[in-house]
Amino acid sequence: GQQLNQSPQSMFIQEGEDVSMNCTSSSIFNTWLWYKQDPGEGPVLLIALYKAGELTSNGRLTAQFGITRKDSFLNISASIPSDVGIYFCAGQLPDSNYQLIWGAGTKLIIKP
Amino acid sequence: NAGVTQTPKFQVLKTGQSMTLQCAQDMNHNSMYWYRQDPGMGLRLIYYSASEGTTDKGEVPNGYNVSRLNKREFSLRLESAAPSQTSVYFCASSRRTAVEPQHFGDGTRLSIL
Repeated sequence: GQQLNQSPQSMFIQEGEDVSMNCTSSSIFNTWLWYKQDPGEGPVLLIALYKAGELTSNGRLTAQFGITRKDSFLNISASIPSDVGIYFCAGQLPDSNYQLIWGAGTKLIIKP
Repeated sequence: NAGVTQTPKFQVLKTGQSMTLQCAQDMNHNSMYWYRQDPGMGLRLIYYSASEGTTDKGEVPNGYNVSRLNKREFSLRLESAAPSQTSVYFCASSRRTAVEPQHFGDGTRLSIL
């Protein structure tokens, strides 16, 4: 089936550092979504991107929809302990309103 | 406001047993989804329901059945559980399409021995 390549798989960072992660695909997507999952909970939507080239912020989070429509990145500035968790990208293929393709996740760990 | 409620939270089954996972949402959403989450992989869609009375297969439907009982409730049934179905199962709902915010339950952790 379709796949998204999400990298890195995990990140060990110091509190206060900036974080960057990305997703790439061989397919074109109409929409890119970024979700965060805390332990023992379901994912929560952080940012949705609907147009190629779109740059959207949500507090310290910034995400962009790549011009080629095949990639997206998420940046987190000045990380804090509550940023710990797993971040997922998800993309919507042009022919489906109800099915998303999900990346495998980036696990963010803050070094003590 | 409960959002999306899944029951049970944990379950252990023996191979060949059957069970139904329950999901209910109180946000008046039209669409509901069942996903499975396996280690090192993204969420995979099992089945979805775009509206009350309709259900459609997702990426990995084999071995599962679903029922959209009413607008609030969407259940997932394993007729004859297999070890390969050991996973964390998430139910989600959205107002209409999958690109609108999906609200997830806290998951059901299912082990099949």
